[in-house]
Amino acid sequence: AQTVTQSQPEMSVQEAETVTLSCTYDTSESDYYLFWYKQPPSRQMILVIRQEAYKQQNATENRFSVNFQKAAKSFSLKISDSQLGDAAMYFCAYGRNYGQNFVFGPGTRLSVLP
Amino acid sequence: GAGVSQSPSNKVTEKGKDVELRCDPISGHTALYWYRQSLGQGLEFLIYFQGNSAPDKSGLPSDRFSAERTGGSVSTLTIQRTQQEDSAVYLCASSPLAGGPGDTQYFGPGTRLTVL
Repeated sequence: AQTVTQSQPEMSVQEAETVTLSCTYDTSESDYYLFWYKQPPSRQMILVIRQEAYKQQNATENRFSVNFQKAAKSFSLKISDSQLGDAAMYFCAYGRNYGQNFVFGPGTRLSVLP
Repeated sequence: GAGVSQSPSNKVTEKGKDVELRCDPISGHTALYWYRQSLGQGLEFLIYFQGNSAPDKSGLPSDRFSAERTGGSVSTLTIQRTQQEDSAVYLCASSPLAGGPGDTQYFGPGTRLTVL
């Protein structure tokens, strides 16, 4: 079974600085998708960024970018120019197939300090 | 259009009672997921619906949990004889097309269930 690990339960960053959240996963598959979701205190989960495993180029969405290392099964999220609104729980997720094969990590709580 | 909605937002119940949680997915989305999020934890898959296919129930923790999806739209998650360990936030998500691995899941705000 696939597993997703986020080794940093909590992180903090100064406003306008850069922070990197770590994620590793375990799979024997070669074709899959990886995601970062954000969950603010409102509980609404929002997709931040998505990476297709067959693409070598790292995905980027404005201030958010990933460092996808397929061989190392690592998928870290970099947030540049951190803003107060970035404070939230961040979940790394793996998608290979339907249903139970979509797996979330335990999350990293990010605090942004003014 | 409107996003995924869930009701109630909060539910407090007594141990042993039955509860029903409702999810209204985004119109036209064929795939629907239910997850459970215990305090400070990640998301635990419960059940997945895709169109008219038989649902993937492999994540349901016990036979006290059941879910249905009527007309390929609204879904109801039912927990019978609730226990204190059922206390959690229950999240629903829908996605377009086949709900394949690359599809974005659009989440509702969740229902916080507290079992006293």
